[in-house]
Amino acid sequence: DTGVSQDPRHKITKRGQNVTFRCDPISEHNRLYWYRQTLGQGPEFLTYFQNEAQLEKSRLLSDRFSAERPKGSFSTLEIQRTEQGDSAMYLCASSPMIAGGDIYEQYFGPGTRLTVT
Amino acid sequence: GNSVTQMEGPVTLSEEAFLTINCTYTATGYPSLFWYVQYPGEGLQLLLKATKADDKGSNKGFEATYRKETTSFHLEKGSVQVSDSAVYFCALRYSGYSTLTFGKGTMLLVSP
Repeated sequence: DTGVSQDPRHKITKRGQNVTFRCDPISEHNRLYWYRQTLGQGPEFLTYFQNEAQLEKSRLLSDRFSAERPKGSFSTLEIQRTEQGDSAMYLCASSPMIAGGDIYEQYFGPGTRLTVT
Repeated sequence: GNSVTQMEGPVTLSEEAFLTINCTYTATGYPSLFWYVQYPGEGLQLLLKATKADDKGSNKGFEATYRKETTSFHLEKGSVQVSDSAVYFCALRYSGYSTLTFGKGTMLLVSP
């Protein structure tokens, strides 16, 4: 397996447009996470899935954001009516859920860099 | 709320110098602590971790010790290489919870 992949790697869009990003996790990982990273900051948690269920959403995830993982494999993150403040790196990570254990490393993808003009 | 504070960068060192990147945290209870590294153009990679007080995480010559009394998890390396140039993130996660809370990151630049 080649790790977590994200597509596209870069996206430039005009304010008001909708954008959609895709994340393909490591195949045997049932947990998938989305983070946002702005310039000079660390990643901030947005949401995560266990299989196809979205279990937690951050208050950072406004109504314009929606994430799905319909078959428990890949996930999409859509931003509607983009604003300049949405410009950031969007990171995806995946991890296995180890029954009875607690330490499960999150493996990160390379990210999608969004620029809203 | 939970937070992680890292020393501001960039940290600029010559090859073979000793490295310390400070990390302190604010949290209730006893979270697990992590250091992630981000090389240019790549995703974050877990560098090392510690799950309880006095644990020492180590990997690739890097070390960090979980200090409960000072709520710290400082990253150290005895002799840095040019290839260690990257951004280093300190992070915490609570037992039973999935989400990571990251610091702002510290850029390390190592010159030959």
